[in-house]
Amino acid sequence: AQRVTQPEKLLSVFKGAPVELKCNYSYSGSPELFWYVQYSRQRLQLLLRHISRESIKGFTADLNKGETSFHLKKPFAQEEDSAMYYCALSVPSGSRLTFGEGTQLTVNP
Amino acid sequence: DGGITQSPKYLFRKEGQNVTLSCEQNLNHDAMYWYRQDPGQGLRLIYYSQIVNDFQKGDIAEGYSVSREKKESFPLTVTSAQKNPTAFYLCASSIATGLSSYNEQFFGPGTRLTVL
Repeated sequence: AQRVTQPEKLLSVFKGAPVELKCNYSYSGSPELFWYVQYSRQRLQLLLRHISRESIKGFTADLNKGETSFHLKKPFAQEEDSAMYYCALSVPSGSRLTFGEGTQLTVNP
Repeated sequence: DGGITQSPKYLFRKEGQNVTLSCEQNLNHDAMYWYRQDPGQGLRLIYYSQIVNDFQKGDIAEGYSVSREKKESFPLTVTSAQKNPTAFYLCASSIATGLSSYNEQFFGPGTRLTVL
């Protein structure tokens, strides 16, 4: 069975500093990876997916199959990035997602 | 306002009682999901449905039941058999294209259930 691990429950950085939220997964095949974000008092929403290879709100994530990781990175954190971030995995041709435990990011002024 | 709605926002239940959480969507999505969100445990899948009149157990289905009689509705019943029902429950929906890369899930605002 697949599994997603986010080793940091809490992460705190200062505004303008780089930030990296870690995500590791276990799956024997080729997974589809996503990052979801939940801002305060807002719904959980998709931030980005690895297949699109896009940058959203300055965030990027690269799938590293050798290290089975999908870390989320941003070179210069902003206060509005403070939120709960979830890494999620889907198997090919499947619709269900397996979520990690989540990382609460706080960007201090 | 379109999208996914969940009701009620807060729900209180006495031990031994069943309670049903509502989830409705007007996005014409085929697939719907129920998650439980607990601090430090992330989101855990309870049940999901990819088509009307069909649903599958997720990772923590024990003590829960669902129905999918209509495409737009996927109610979740928390039964008295659920040992620790106090939690935040999230409903989601997606287009079930079979292409998992593009199956973005859209989430409702959630229902917070407290067992007294």
